[in-house]
Amino acid sequence: SAVISQKPSRDICQRGTSLTIQCQVDSQVTMMFWYRQQPGQSLTLIATANQGSEATYESGFVIDKFPISRPNLTFSTLTVSNMSPEDSSIYLCSVYWRKGAGELFFGEGSRLTVL
Amino acid sequence: AQKITQTQPGMFVQEKEAVTLDCTYDTSDPSYGLFWYKQPSSGEMIFLIYQGSYDQQNATEGRYSLNFQKARKSANLVISASQLGDSAMYFCAMRENNNAGNMLTFGGGTRLMVKP
Repeated sequence: SAVISQKPSRDICQRGTSLTIQCQVDSQVTMMFWYRQQPGQSLTLIATANQGSEATYESGFVIDKFPISRPNLTFSTLTVSNMSPEDSSIYLCSVYWRKGAGELFFGEGSRLTVL
Repeated sequence: AQKITQTQPGMFVQEKEAVTLDCTYDTSDPSYGLFWYKQPSSGEMIFLIYQGSYDQQNATEGRYSLNFQKARKSANLVISASQLGDSAMYFCAMRENNNAGNMLTFGGGTRLMVKP
């Protein structure tokens, strides 16, 4: 299985600031996915990040708010910009593991609280 | 319409007993995969079990089994001999294979609480 490391694991942020979450995978993967989980809710896909191209955003998510970088096949970052309390969530990085059942493997998540 | 529906927001089960968590899905794609994940209070997502739409047998992984009823579009998770450590959120998810993005769509989740 893939090993996925996310940083930070948690943070408390002030309204109006931005925070960048890092995701490192121990093997090369084509696609990386960023999910958001708001308190008490299910997971919602923010965007798919492919190396060498711009991320593909899902409905309701825009690049200005959630810019994503994918500089190589093992690393990605998600920035949450101009944060408000509504952005308080767990943000999860995931990769598609072809060698298994095709399940997604997830990082430990980054729990953000915006005051 | 919801693609994945989990109708039980919360469930209690007595330790050592079996419990079934419900999941129904909606797709017109003949080829798809169904997944169950466990999310403890720590927040990580742990993959439990997978069922492919063409699989003839119900999937099993240790104490986890999937009751797959294709005609009814249901994929219920059965946990046998519940343990206190099974207390967590459980999410059902689907990947439709006509989806080039390969992303999973998640249900709303069921919180399972195991009583000692």
